[in-house]
Amino acid sequence: AQSVAQPEDQVNVAEGNPLTVKCTYSVSGNPYLFWYVQYPNRGLQFLLKYITGDNLVKGSYGFEAEFNKSQTSFHLKKPSALVSDSALYFCAVSGRGSYIPTFGRGTSLIVHP
Amino acid sequence: EAGVTQSPTHLIKTRGQQATLRCSPISGHTSVYWYQQALGLGLQFLLWYDEGEERNRGNFPPRFSGRQFPNYSSELNVNALELEDSALYLCASSLAHRDTEAFFGQGTRLTVV
Repeated sequence: AQSVAQPEDQVNVAEGNPLTVKCTYSVSGNPYLFWYVQYPNRGLQFLLKYITGDNLVKGSYGFEAEFNKSQTSFHLKKPSALVSDSALYFCAVSGRGSYIPTFGRGTSLIVHP
Repeated sequence: EAGVTQSPTHLIKTRGQQATLRCSPISGHTSVYWYQQALGLGLQFLLWYDEGEERNRGNFPPRFSGRQFPNYSSELNVNALELEDSALYLCASSLAHRDTEAFFGQGTRLTVV
């Protein structure tokens, strides 16, 4: 069975500082990895995905993520955080065994002015 | 192009009643996923429909059911509502490939009193 772990329930960062939201996964075969963002009382918005190729993936709103196969990780990063980045972030994985994206529990990102 | 639309936005029901939630996918998407997002539990997979058929279901009791119509829209039915069914129900659509992202609706907030 595939699974995703987001080890931090909450990440706090000051505006202008770099941010990292962690994600590790478990899946059969090659992983398909995704990051989504959710603002209060809204659905999830797609940020970026890793399918194959370059381990550093760039996405929307200046976010990027680094795929590390040996560590089975796909951490979300941004060089300079904005207060407006404050939201709930979800990592998801699908793989050979299942089309169905499996989501982590989510990490609440709080960017302080 | 219209995104995934869900109705109603909010729904209040009494314990023991039935609830019906609706979802219209993005045009051209044949797969519809339903997730339950309860407070603190992340996204729990409920059901997957593709090409009119139920393809998979998550670890939920049979009183959670649904269907997909010929136009690929979908309906989620929850019978014999319980208080713990109170949650945000999210619908997502995709092209039914493992490497494509899912697009989410804004959700239906179901409150059972």
